[in-house]
Amino acid sequence: EIVMSQSPATLSASPGERATLSCRASQSVSTNLAWFQQRPGQAPRLLIHGASTRATDVPPRFRGSGSGTEFTLTITSLQSEDFAIYYCQQYNKWPPWTFGQGTRVDIK
Amino acid sequence: QVQLVESGGGVVQPGRSLRLSCVASGFIFNRYSMHWVRQAPGKGLDWVALISYDGSTELYADSVRGRFSISRDDSKDTLYLTMHNLRPEDTAVYYCARPVNRDGYNLFGYWGQGTPVTVSS
Repeated sequence: EIVMSQSPATLSASPGERATLSCRASQSVSTNLAWFQQRPGQAPRLLIHGASTRATDVPPRFRGSGSGTEFTLTITSLQSEDFAIYYCQQYNKWPPWTFGQGTRVDIK
Repeated sequence: QVQLVESGGGVVQPGRSLRLSCVASGFIFNRYSMHWVRQAPGKGLDWVALISYDGSTELYADSVRGRFSISRDDSKDTLYLTMHNLRPEDTAVYYCARPVNRDGYNLFGYWGQGTPVTVSS
C-alpha cells in the first residue's frame, strides 16, 4: 500500500497570502496524484488531478506541481472560501486508493 | 447535473448489519464504476470499495473485505454497501463517489453528501 503524508498538519494564513501545502508518497506515483478540498460539513471536492491539471471550474489560484514522490499544492492568494482541509490522493497503484491525512488551512 | 444521494445510515450495535444506498441521477448510471469512501469523525478520507460499471469487478479495502459487500441495481440507478459484523471502528460518514470519466476508476470527481454510521452499544 502506498502511504501518503502531508505537511504541515495545520497552516495559518491571512486572506491574500500565499499558501503552500506538501504531499509525499512512500513510493513513486508518477503524476497520478489528485488534490481535494473539503469545507466544514461538506463532501470533498476534486481540485487537481494529474498532479497539475485543474478540475472543471477550479480557479487558477490553485496550482499543483510535482512528480514521483513529492508534490505541492499552492494557493496563490487565499480567499475566504479557501479556508478548508486539503487532501492529496494517489491513484497510481490500487487498490487501495490512498489519501494523505490532510492539511487544515486556517485563518490567521 | 450529477447528483448522488446516500441514505441508510444510523446507529447500530456492534456485530449487527446495515445497508447503505446511493441513488444517482443526472448521468447514465450503468456506464460508470462507483466507489464508497468513508471518513471517521475528525479524521481523513478512507477508500472502502469499488464496483465496476458492469458489476464484474469488486475491490475492497483490507479493513472491510469479507464483511462489506458493494453492489448495484442499474434498474434503480442505485449503489449499495451492505455492511455485516460492524465494529466501532466502522463509525464514519460514508460517501459514494463517481469517477469523472466513464473509462476508468480514478478521479473521484462527484461525491454525495454522505450518510453517517455510528457503531455503538
